[in-house]
Amino acid sequence: NAGVTQTPKFQVLKTGQSMTLQCAQDMNHNSMYWYRQDPGMGLRLIYYSASEGTTDKGEVPNGYNVSRLNKREFSLRLESAAPSQTSVYFCASSGTDSLRRGNTIYFGEGSWLTVV
Amino acid sequence: AQSVAQPEDQVNVAEGNPLTVKCTYSVSGNPYLFWYVQYPNRGLQFLLKYITGDNLVKGSYGFEAEFNKSQTSFHLKKPSALVSDSALYFCAVRPPSSNTGKLIFGQGTTLQVKP
Repeated sequence: NAGVTQTPKFQVLKTGQSMTLQCAQDMNHNSMYWYRQDPGMGLRLIYYSASEGTTDKGEVPNGYNVSRLNKREFSLRLESAAPSQTSVYFCASSGTDSLRRGNTIYFGEGSWLTVV
Repeated sequence: AQSVAQPEDQVNVAEGNPLTVKCTYSVSGNPYLFWYVQYPNRGLQFLLKYITGDNLVKGSYGFEAEFNKSQTSFHLKKPSALVSDSALYFCAVRPPSSNTGKLIFGQGTTLQVKP
């Protein structure tokens, strides 16, 4: 029962470096999400993909790009990392119900990213 | 603007006592409401959700939540707290107009249960 798997777990980057966070889900979910978590701010949506082949900006998309590679995989790329992107990143996915509204979102274990 | 508020940064309770973690929301229409728990250095785990029907929702680990439409609240409760309940709790809402499934989260409340 893997659920949502994301890698790497921990990463330290220098300012200006690029990196990609990988995410895969094995629940046959249509929708996938990337959130970031910062102290006192809860989780904020970066990008989401309502279905395979589509991606849309969330609340805080600047400095990020995403790729919905197939139904299982949804990656997040930082093209030129900045200290403000130091955060914990969570990938998530939700349901097969076409209405979507009642679907539960399931989260990965998180990726701790530090930009120095 | 649509939002979720958790008015308490931290809640302290003695083991065996009842606990309440508060959540209020600001969303047009009838929202879909969720509670998640996060243990240190882990991802968020789903506890329970309100979609429709009975205002009292029962979830995992003995938790329950009461939906109150007039007060726009969805407080998380447990009759008898355990030390192992100590964690960070998030309330989240999905607006009824949403067709994408995304959630809006509150800022989180740390629950500390003391022996």
